[in-house]
Order: sequence, then C-alpha cells, then structure tokens
Amino acid sequence: GAGVSQSPSNKVTEKGKDVELRCDPISGHTALYWYRQSLGQGLEFLIYFQGNSAPDKSGLPSDRFSAERTGGSVSTLTIQRTQQEDSAVYLCASSLGDGGLYEQYFGPGTRLTVT
Amino acid sequence: KQEVTQIPAALSVPEGENLVLNCSFTDSAIYNLQWFRQDPGKGLTSLLLIQSSQREQTSGRLNASLDKSSGRSTLYIAASQPGDSATYLCAPGGSQGNLIFGKGTKLSVKP
Repeated sequence: GAGVSQSPSNKVTEKGKDVELRCDPISGHTALYWYRQSLGQGLEFLIYFQGNSAPDKSGLPSDRFSAERTGGSVSTLTIQRTQQEDSAVYLCASSLGDGGLYEQYFGPGTRLTVT
Repeated sequence: KQEVTQIPAALSVPEGENLVLNCSFTDSAIYNLQWFRQDPGKGLTSLLLIQSSQREQTSGRLNASLDKSSGRSTLYIAASQPGDSATYLCAPGGSQGNLIFGKGTKLSVKP
C-alpha cells in the first residue's frame, strides 16, 4: 500500500517568507509525528498528533512554528518568517496509534533551504 | 532529558562479517525502542521495534536486543552485504511514541 508522502520534496525560500509543508500519513494511522533533521544536530522531535489534537508541542523550536491536522489525516507544518537556521530536512511519520506500541513509518522528507 | 549515544560513529567491514552496533540511552523509562536505517538523501526505513517488555526482536539477518534497566540496545547484523551500507539509527520512544534519536552509526560493507 501507499506509504507516508510529503510535499514538496524540496523548497527554497527567502529569509522572512512563510512556508507550508504537507504530510499525508498512511491511511488508517491515527498518530502523526513531525521531526527535523539538521546538519550536525541529528533528528529532533517537533510535534505529535493523535487524531486532530496535538497533546505534545514541546519540540517546536519557536512560536514561528505551528502545525495542524484536519480530518485525522493530512497535516501541515507552517513556519512563519523563516530564518536561515530553519534550513533542514523535515520528516513526517505515522503509526497505527500512540502509546509507544506501534512502529513509526517515515516519509521521504521535505528539504527546506532558506536563503 | 533523554540522551542517546551510538557507538561506533562509523564502521567499515568486509562483506560477510557479523557485526554489532551499540546504542545507549540515559533514561530507562522508555516504552519501546526502534532501529532504523537511512540511505543517503532518503527517509528512514524501520528495521525493528522492541517493546519495553521484550528482550529482543529478530527479522531475517537482523537481531536487536534491549536491556532497559541498563539503558542499552544492540543491533546484530549477520553475514553483512554491501547492500547493508547505510546509517543505522537507534531511537527509544516515550509514552506518547515520540522518538529520541542518536546520531547514528554509518556502516560501510566492502565487497
């Protein structure tokens, strides 16, 4: 079946612009996670959704970052007033449920470059 | 705050060798631990998931063990092949499933 998909695959934006990154989870997966992979920083957790609610936003690096999920499916990560330090690969993952019982399946990522 | 260390950072072996990748974590209150591989420029591929109540999981030539109380996990790869070349990531999971990643072990298997 179809895996997790993300769009766009690459995004180049000017400093100060807003960007939206999209994630389509595997059908039927109720939990959705966003991570960021930066050079030298490794992979870091950003935010998690169970259904449409986000119980854990602790990983968002600043208030310029926000995310939403609609219909228990598609999620959008928005970065306002982008800065050069936002340049990274943004990865989305989904799983059948939360509570740590299920494997997470990752999408191919969106490579964001802020110039 | 959970911290994950993976040793070695890089490993180069000849084809056919058995090898062990090590992962240690500072907070033993985990719900699971997942091992992934990442190929250059690609996303993550899940290899094995070990629940906190389990001691090991096996899939083909891969075997992962978990010693939760001592904060350690190992990934054993039998009869390594050039196609196994990738970065291997260890990630213990919290109660809501959010994963904390190590920096990975970059494996190169020479033909």
